[in-house]
Amino acid sequence: AQKITQTQPGMFVQEKEAVTLDCTYDTSDPSYGLFWYKQPSSGEMIFLIYQGSYDQQNATEGRYSLNFQKARKSANLVISASQLGDSAMYFCAMREPSSSGSARQLTFGSGTQLTVLP
Amino acid sequence: ETGVTQTPRHLVMGMTNKKSLKCEQHLGHNAMYWYKQSAKKPLELMFVYSLEERVENNSVPSRFSPECPNSSHLFLHLHTLQPEDSALYLCASSQVEGPNEQYFGPGTRLTVT
Repeated sequence: AQKITQTQPGMFVQEKEAVTLDCTYDTSDPSYGLFWYKQPSSGEMIFLIYQGSYDQQNATEGRYSLNFQKARKSANLVISASQLGDSAMYFCAMREPSSSGSARQLTFGSGTQLTVLP
Repeated sequence: ETGVTQTPRHLVMGMTNKKSLKCEQHLGHNAMYWYKQSAKKPLELMFVYSLEERVENNSVPSRFSPECPNSSHLFLHLHTLQPEDSALYLCASSQVEGPNEQYFGPGTRLTVT
């Protein structure tokens, strides 16, 4: 079973509008972390935002916010005031304790390709 | 300025060649990772080094051989690769403690002919 599900292969948004990218996850561990990364066509993965499973408030970083609904196991990324430079692939990832206990792995979703239209 | 660098950025190699990918992190992190990203597939974790010890090896074929001589450097040695190994290889680093957000390098685009 997939641990991270991103159901939107592609999304379009008009410049200056807000957009929500969906992410659902599956874990039985009470301690986990959720991440969003942006990957432009150049290939580099850029860390955007982090939400811990015990965090009481939704994470925000500038124009990025994470809509964390623990009971629904969802961690949607909201980008406000979209810009042309936001066009990229966006990946949701989850951190769980690894079997070795000494390092914690990230499991990535399949990604959503966001295109911002002028 | 990126905290994680990778060389080369592009590599074309034949199936009988031997080459190495290099990754260097300037962030003072104590864990490093190799990922493989193939077209239309999620990132696949290949290897994890924590405090310079390999702690994860996710069923990667032996034609891929990692090396971590110190906490700042990570290599991926390649030999007798197959065309299906063509992909983007991404290196990342993180602090094992805390949130463990990983910072990635720009990747090496590998083509096996």
